[in-house]
Amino acid sequence: QQPVQSPQAVILREGEDAVINCSSSKALYSVHWYRQKHGEAPVFLMILLKGGEQKGHEKISASFNEKKQQSSLYLTASQLSYSGTYFCGTEDTLSSNTGKLIFGQGTTLQVKP
Amino acid sequence: SQTIHQWPATLVQPVGSPLSLECTVEGTSNPNLYWYRQAAGRGLQLLFYSVGIGQISSEVPQNLSASRPQDRQFILSSKKLLLSDSGFYLCAWSSGLAGNIQYFGAGTRLSVL
Repeated sequence: QQPVQSPQAVILREGEDAVINCSSSKALYSVHWYRQKHGEAPVFLMILLKGGEQKGHEKISASFNEKKQQSSLYLTASQLSYSGTYFCGTEDTLSSNTGKLIFGQGTTLQVKP
Repeated sequence: SQTIHQWPATLVQPVGSPLSLECTVEGTSNPNLYWYRQAAGRGLQLLFYSVGIGQISSEVPQNLSASRPQDRQFILSSKKLLLSDSGFYLCAWSSGLAGNIQYFGAGTRLSVL
């Protein structure tokens, strides 16, 4: 089952914050976050393993609640370069030996000056 | 360091013609390999994955097939293309361990006319 991302689209002004959510119906081993610019391949942002950890990279961080099978991506003080489509990819516990990811439908983020 | 190569970058093919897209990985051994398709403005759909030479798992029944003739080579094929096969095809690799990151190739944009 494909994880569900929300919202589908976000428009921000530079400096504003955003949260993107990813929810799965399956027990998860890990959640991966990627950003894709138009016409390009997805680029890895971060991975969260089960254990309820939270990770951060500069002004982008994420959390993973394995009990709720949900992850959230937090973008603070957004920059123009943050524009793109964000995908979560979920790895369920039954498929963890294959590394197989099922991706959400994506959240389009547009940051305006 | 590891690199992934995909070619060609763009392809225009008539309906009914055959297809062969190639993906190779350098700098690692026994990677897990994945083929995804992305329709315009849509998410990433996993088509095939492979955990070893000659081992192919199909995720979605369709007009395509995949093969892994060598450890670091993954090929996506079709005998007769359909209009609905148009899209952005992405190859990815991971180290094969649970929770490990998938790295994407630059992709092939296929237009079937």
